Amino acid sequence: EVQLVQSGAEVKKPGESLRISCKGSGYSFTNYWISWVRQMPGKGLEWMGRIDPSDSYSKYSPSFQGHVTISADKSISTAYLQWSSLKASDTAIYYCAINTGLTQISSYFDYWGQGTLVTVSS
Amino acid sequence: QSVLTQPPSASGTPGQRVTISCSGSSSNIGSNFVNWYQQLPGTAPKVLIHSSNQRPSGVPDRFSGSKSGTSASLAISGLQSDDEADYYCTTWDDSLNGPVFGGGTKLTVL
Repeated sequence: EVQLVQSGAEVKKPGESLRISCKGSGYSFTNYWISWVRQMPGKGLEWMGRIDPSDSYSKYSPSFQGHVTISADKSISTAYLQWSSLKASDTAIYYCAINTGLTQISSYFDYWGQGTLVTVSS
Repeated sequence: QSVLTQPPSASGTPGQRVTISCSGSSSNIGSNFVNWYQQLPGTAPKVLIHSSNQRPSGVPDRFSGSKSGTSASLAISGLQSDDEADYYCTTWDDSLNGPVFGGGTKLTVL
């Protein structure tokens, strides 16, 4: 069974760093890109970027380029989303997702993590 | 401001048919498949329609999708109280080289 299991909720202060994780199981981790999707409180879904675990190439949405870093460790089937200096506006639920379809050039995500709530407050 | 435009809300009574629209441009909906997600409160999104009009196994045939030009729509017939959720359209954007989402439509069953 394909599963994406994310790390638990985090409460941080502005300026702190953070790395959250997404562990894949039940499939070959390097076969599918992993995307990260943000959902701010009461708002819609926003695609942040994705990583190809086979070569660690990352692609970011212009809205998030330079603000976050996406990485992966294929030896432990885990992808990461990290911030070097959090802001209050980073408060959101963050989902990882994959597309196990025939093409990775798609917005079709058939498996999602359970989401990680990040709260940034002084 | 989302790349794809959806109405913020929609409503209907049990048994009715409702449609949710999604408008884009030639670089996204106009040249790619559209997918629709349903998000129930406190849960991750779930695929409702993929490839513009295909239902994954397990999704009732009350849900249907269509696409024409740079617009797409999701139709829900035989509305049920369980259908109360947020609905998002999404597609690939050739200019962004990544997925784009609509702002979401909150469906209320009256």
